[in-house]
Amino acid sequence: GAVVSQHPSRVICKSGTSVKIECRSLDFQATTMFWYRQFPKQSLMLMATSNEGSKATYEQGVEKDKFLINHASLTLSTLTVTSAHPEDSSFYICSARDSGSAGWNYGYTFGSGTRLTVV
Amino acid sequence: DAKTTQPPSMDCAEGRAANLPCNHSTISGNEYVYWYRQIHSQGPQYIIHGLKNNETNEMASLIITEDRKSSTLILPHATLRDTAVYYCIVRVLSGTASKLTFGTGTRLQVTL
Repeated sequence: GAVVSQHPSRVICKSGTSVKIECRSLDFQATTMFWYRQFPKQSLMLMATSNEGSKATYEQGVEKDKFLINHASLTLSTLTVTSAHPEDSSFYICSARDSGSAGWNYGYTFGSGTRLTVV
Repeated sequence: DAKTTQPPSMDCAEGRAANLPCNHSTISGNEYVYWYRQIHSQGPQYIIHGLKNNETNEMASLIITEDRKSSTLILPHATLRDTAVYYCIVRVLSGTASKLTFGTGTRLQVTL
């Protein structure tokens, strides 16, 4: 089945620094990937839609200059949290769907998530 | 996409069937019902989806009412590893990848 690899799984950074999170589709191509954020005991909130070769689409209220998204290839999207602050501490999850026919049957595949702690 | 309503939590004894309901009374004719689950501190996992016929796979069964306004996910023999938050999502199935919107889900606790 489709696999999405997300790295790192856990990161601690100092306030004011930037952190990059990678999301890779290992055995399929994904023209579109999605980035979610999840706070403790809450549901997943979509942050942005990452489109290969074009600009990402951000949900209302998400600062595009703070959460930089790059989708340079059909198998890789990155999310960079710039000038991180403690309130950015959260669980970040990416997802993708196979651009081919298999995507119709198996829905969306999610990465295992990245727990970011800003101290 | 149509909104869904799920109970916030449910308990189930290990080995018994877990029946998780979902109401989607505003579902449109071309919208599918998807189920995902999220085990603690992991990314969501796809379980099953369907349009109007009942569906079964190695993980679960999906029962959709004739009027399609509600559905039930059935885990036939729940185990402790099935403890998770289960999300019911309704959306159009298309060749274009479009966003999934998660509601609050049902927190299923499987107990000994």
